[in-house]
Amino acid sequence: DGGITQSPKYLFRKEGQNVTLSCEQNLNHDAMYWYRQDPGQGLRLIYYSQIVNDFQKGDIAEGYSVSREKKESFPLTVTSAQKNPTAFYLCASSLSASSYNEQFFGPGTRLTVL
Amino acid sequence: QQPVQSPQAVILREGEDAVINCSSSKALYSVHWYRQKHGEAPVFLMILLKGGEQKGHEKISASFNEKKQQSSLYLTASQLSYSGTYFCGTRGGSQGNLIFGKGTKLSVKP
Repeated sequence: DGGITQSPKYLFRKEGQNVTLSCEQNLNHDAMYWYRQDPGQGLRLIYYSQIVNDFQKGDIAEGYSVSREKKESFPLTVTSAQKNPTAFYLCASSLSASSYNEQFFGPGTRLTVL
Repeated sequence: QQPVQSPQAVILREGEDAVINCSSSKALYSVHWYRQKHGEAPVFLMILLKGGEQKGHEKISASFNEKKQQSSLYLTASQLSYSGTYFCGTRGGSQGNLIFGKGTKLSVKP
């Protein structure tokens, strides 16, 4: 089955620690995205990548970093510089960044920083 | 700029209809609609493009008024499975990021 996987589903970390969230897709999609979701706020774009070895900042990139070394993988690192990292993180992919292509979302990772 | 969705929440009985609106202060090229059930991933419903082209599920109905910079999602004869939070995402050009609204929570009761 084709799809997007995110791991882990729940993640607990101590304040000041970096943590990396995994996102893998086997849909052969070029574009991948990371969103942060807070209650009542909708989805806010952190980073996106239109092609391997290239990525751009979204609206709330501060305190986050990404890499895109392989087409199928787009890991997100939440650094200690992120002031309020507790949130639900969603990874998505689309065939391309064109407006005609819908985004497919992974099941999400709920990060709690203690 | 984040699109504004209305209403913020709506409660329906099975079989009733609902309309969810999405408005932008900027000119729009496309509008995407997604539904998210609690704790799950958003699921694609429909894309509406400038010029009238649409792509999405056959049972979903939506409109896109380019002049008014608005889109509406029509949910008719609602079923329990329609419950969830509906998000619109907008783009000002053929490329670029989707900007999502804060969502409309729909609850369908038996």
